[in-house]
Amino acid sequence: DAKTTQPPSMDCAEGRAANLPCNHSTISGNEYVYWYRQIHSQGPQYIIHGLKNNETNEMASLIITEDRKSSTLILPHATLRDTAVYYCIVRVGGNAGNMLTFGGGTRLMVKP
Amino acid sequence: DTGVSQDPRHKITKRGQNVTFRCDPISEHNRLYWYRQTLGQGPEFLTYFQNEAQLEKSRLLSDRFSAERPKGSFSTLEIQRTEQGDSAMYLCASSFTSGKVNEQFFGPGTRLTVL
Repeated sequence: DAKTTQPPSMDCAEGRAANLPCNHSTISGNEYVYWYRQIHSQGPQYIIHGLKNNETNEMASLIITEDRKSSTLILPHATLRDTAVYYCIVRVGGNAGNMLTFGGGTRLMVKP
Repeated sequence: DTGVSQDPRHKITKRGQNVTFRCDPISEHNRLYWYRQTLGQGPEFLTYFQNEAQLEKSRLLSDRFSAERPKGSFSTLEIQRTEQGDSAMYLCASSFTSGKVNEQFFGPGTRLTVL
């Protein structure tokens, strides 16, 4: 699986959009971009994933650049409960996907 | 609650003792994964099962570690002759291979402290 690079930490004001970047310049054509988050003392939680098109669900939006070498996770209206470590993971998707390879992630602190 | 459950949530043991952790996945999920997470790091893959078959093991899984999933439902992870370096959070996750996303659902973890 391709390696990802994320900033170690970010701050965001409550109610504002949180934009979390991820670089994955060595991504292969059959690899998806997945985002998980881990709130303190809990297991990781799936947020969203995408291949090349932008995706949106009830939790977040995922913007993938045209060359697929980077992406941004957007939390449109961050709340204090969004304070967590966010992991960007690149892996083969669907039934072929096996383990997740976590990096260091981005520690997002949402402040009142 | 129909999520992934793990037992115990916390375990304190003395070096050299054996410990066993249990994971109960979401009932219809056929894949089960074990990860280990040390303080300040992301989770690291240890092993995974598809039904009762153990299909992959990480190099992190030394000979002192053994995992089973005897009936393709719950799984156990045993660590023999524990060392202080085994202190970590042990996470279990499950997924369903026919799902479009192959999203992994994680349990709350078992925190192991080896004294």
